[in-house]
Order: sequence, then C-alpha cells, then structure tokens
Amino acid sequence: GNSVTQMEGPVTLSEEAFLTINCTYTATGYPSLFWYVQYPGEGLQLLLKATKADDKGSNKGFEATYRKETTSFHLEKGSVQVSDSAVYFCALSVDNDMRFGAGTRLTVKP
Amino acid sequence: DTAVSQTPKYLVTQMGNDKSIKCEQNLGHDTMYWYKQDSKKFLKIMFSYNNKELIINETVPNRFSPKSPDKAHLNLHINSLELGDSAVYFCASSQQGSGNTIYFGEGSWLTVV
Repeated sequence: GNSVTQMEGPVTLSEEAFLTINCTYTATGYPSLFWYVQYPGEGLQLLLKATKADDKGSNKGFEATYRKETTSFHLEKGSVQVSDSAVYFCALSVDNDMRFGAGTRLTVKP
Repeated sequence: DTAVSQTPKYLVTQMGNDKSIKCEQNLGHDTMYWYKQDSKKFLKIMFSYNNKELIINETVPNRFSPKSPDKAHLNLHINSLELGDSAVYFCASSQQGSGNTIYFGEGSWLTVV
C-alpha cells in the first residue's frame, strides 16, 4: 500500500538554525510528493511539492528533492524563524489517494 | 473568497446525538475528501468522492455517512456520537490527477461530551 514515514517530533531549534525533517515513502505506482504546513488553529496549507524524480520543490526558503532511489523527500531550510513554528506533514498522492505522514511539530525559539 | 469552506467551525455536543458538518468548495474541483485529525495531529483519510461518486472509503464506523449532492459539496453526517469521535475534521478538494494539490478547509472542531 501507500504510506509515508516522517521523523518524529517534536523538534525544537533556535532561530537561524538549520532544519531537516526526514520523510520516506512507500508507494505502488509513481507518486507525487508534498509538504504541507499547519499553523496553530488552522487547516493544512501546501508548502511545496514535486511530481517526478529529481524535482526540487521550494517555497519560503524551504526545499525538498524527490529522490526515487532512496524513496525520500526530506524537508530542509537553511535558517529557521520563529514564525516557522508549526506542524509539518509529508504526503504522497497516487491516483487521487493522498496519504499523510504523522506530522512533525517544529518549535523555533528566539 | 474562501476556497474550501466548512461549517460549523466549532461543535460541542452530547454523546448519542446526530450531527452534520457541511463542506463546499468553489474551486471547480471534481474530487472532495474528509480527513480526521486526532489530538496527536495524526491525519487520516475517511472518504473521497470523485464527481459525486465514492472512491475511497477507509475503515470508518458506519455511523459516519458522507453525502455529495453535487461536485461542489460533500457533507459529513455522524450518528450516535461517541466520545472517541472528538477530533478535528477537515474537508478538502482537488482536481483529479496525482500531481494536483489538495486544498483544505479550516477544520471543524468536534467535541463530544
């Protein structure tokens, strides 16, 4: 079946630190990969996506590269801000079936 | 203009009651979803409809019944509410196709007391 595994949180960083949140996937077929972000009290918003191998998605300083050989889509940001504090979800989509990882809570301290 | 809107945003109700959550999208999408998010933020798909037809129906108690009167609406009706139904329910929509983004509503916070 289709599934996503992402690193467990919570993750706590100081402002301007480097962020990596690991995500690996299992899929029957050729998935598209996504990162969504959920700020407190809100719904999920698309952060970035990649639809084929070696594609790099990027947005707001975040980026992730679709690695077919390692079935991974790790999220990175070079310098996090307090405003990046949120829950981050890795997801895959195959044939309209979108599956989410368990979410990783990020807290950035000033 | 809200792309995916769901009502009510907050709902507190007693065990055993029946309640509905409504969802509408104005994006012209052909696929709509209901997800349940528990207190640990785990997000689980419940149902998916494409052009008003059910295409994903995960293992969900049959007390939960989705209804799609048209492509723009997908309502969720819950019978005989239980304490364990307390969660945030998210409606979402997308255009059919694996690479297409799913757009979420703001969530409906259901508390069963």
